[in-house]
Amino acid sequence: DGGITQSPKYLFRKEGQNVTLSCEQNLNHDAMYWYRQDPGQGLRLIYYSQIVNDFQKGDIAEGYSVSREKKESFPLTVTSAQKNPTAFYLCASSIGGFTEAFFGQGTRLTVV
Amino acid sequence: AQSVSQHNHHVILSEAASLELGCNYSYGGTVNLFWYVQYPGQHLQLLLKYFSGDPLVKGIKGFEAEFIKSKFSFNLRKPSVQWSDTAEYFCAVIWFSGGYNKLIFGAGTRLAVHP
Repeated sequence: DGGITQSPKYLFRKEGQNVTLSCEQNLNHDAMYWYRQDPGQGLRLIYYSQIVNDFQKGDIAEGYSVSREKKESFPLTVTSAQKNPTAFYLCASSIGGFTEAFFGQGTRLTVV
Repeated sequence: AQSVSQHNHHVILSEAASLELGCNYSYGGTVNLFWYVQYPGQHLQLLLKYFSGDPLVKGIKGFEAEFIKSKFSFNLRKPSVQWSDTAEYFCAVIWFSGGYNKLIFGAGTRLAVHP
């Protein structure tokens, strides 16, 4: 089955700890994205990558970091510098970065 | 900065009513346009898309959208809604700039359809 897998579905961390969210796709898509979804604010772009070993900051990149060492993987690290990390995180991918994006099921991160 | 505005945050309709959800984006240039839907407890799905050609595009489940370039708008319409259309709807835009294409979403519109 082709698709985007985000794991885990729910994640709990203590304040001050870094945490890495996984995103894997087997669609052979070049572009991958990370969004944060908060009620009433829609999806806000954190980072995106159009090719391996290259990524760009989105609108709310502060406190986050990413890597793109493999085409199929785009992990997101939420660092302790992110002031309000509790949120629903969505990963997406698309062909070439100009077509429609396909989304994973999301990871709900709760920092306590 | 590029942005996408959705005018209505919450819409409540009765079944069989007509629906129009507004979407405007911040400025021109070459864009690709999308509407996505998120049903309760499900992941985001594509409703329809516009890349070029006929500005009136048809999507799944009877939805359509009209691109008006002069107004930077891409409004979503459905002639007669059903209870099963209850969901959150997101407008999204890709701007082509300098080789990096950002996919930006609006804040979403929550639609509740009452039987």
